[in-house]
Amino acid sequence: DVKVTQSSRYLVKRTGEKVFLECVQDMDHENMFWYRQDPGLGLRLIYFSYDVKMKEKGDIPEGYSVSREKKERFSLILESASTNQTSMYLCASSSTGPNNQPQHFGDGTRLSIL
Amino acid sequence: GNSVTQMEGPVTLSEEAFLTINCTYTATGYPSLFWYVQYPGEGLQLLLKATKADDKGSNKGFEATYRKETTSFHLEKGSVQVSDSAVYFCALSDGWGGSNYKLTFGKGTLLTVNP
Repeated sequence: DVKVTQSSRYLVKRTGEKVFLECVQDMDHENMFWYRQDPGLGLRLIYFSYDVKMKEKGDIPEGYSVSREKKERFSLILESASTNQTSMYLCASSSTGPNNQPQHFGDGTRLSIL
Repeated sequence: GNSVTQMEGPVTLSEEAFLTINCTYTATGYPSLFWYVQYPGEGLQLLLKATKADDKGSNKGFEATYRKETTSFHLEKGSVQVSDSAVYFCALSDGWGGSNYKLTFGKGTLLTVNP
């Protein structure tokens, strides 16, 4: 089974802090994704990466950056955390192939910015 | 651009009732369609998928048929259980242009099943 592991289930940080969310997958997947999930808004794509050191902006990249130095690890960085970044963050990975490859999700990190 | 519209919840049913959650989509090309489920406190899990018109995906008693003529992928289950209480997401992937394979999600439908 694919395992996508997010480093923290719950995280509390203060406004202005630099925050790192880590995600590791164990299936050698090429693609990795970061979403945020908010009530009434569903899942929104922040950034994704289709290869090591490659990244592309999703629908809501403002205030975030990412890093992919190794194939199995994809980090989301909040450069200067703000209260409107309080949310559930979900990481996912998928393999490259025909477009029927599903994404596999981690359990999420519930981030609170005070 | 691509979009997915699913029925707004919450949906509340009694155990053994019939479930339908409607999902319609707009996409260029020939997308693959997915249903994901999110149990409380967890991430999303793939429930079922269909990759071409008239395909039926099925898993754990849930079914959905890819209807190209109506651009729909409705989720159904004949007899729900309390353990089916979760949020259900419809999604599509068209996989055009490189290896990104982004998913477009609906907003989710909360299902509560009462004993």
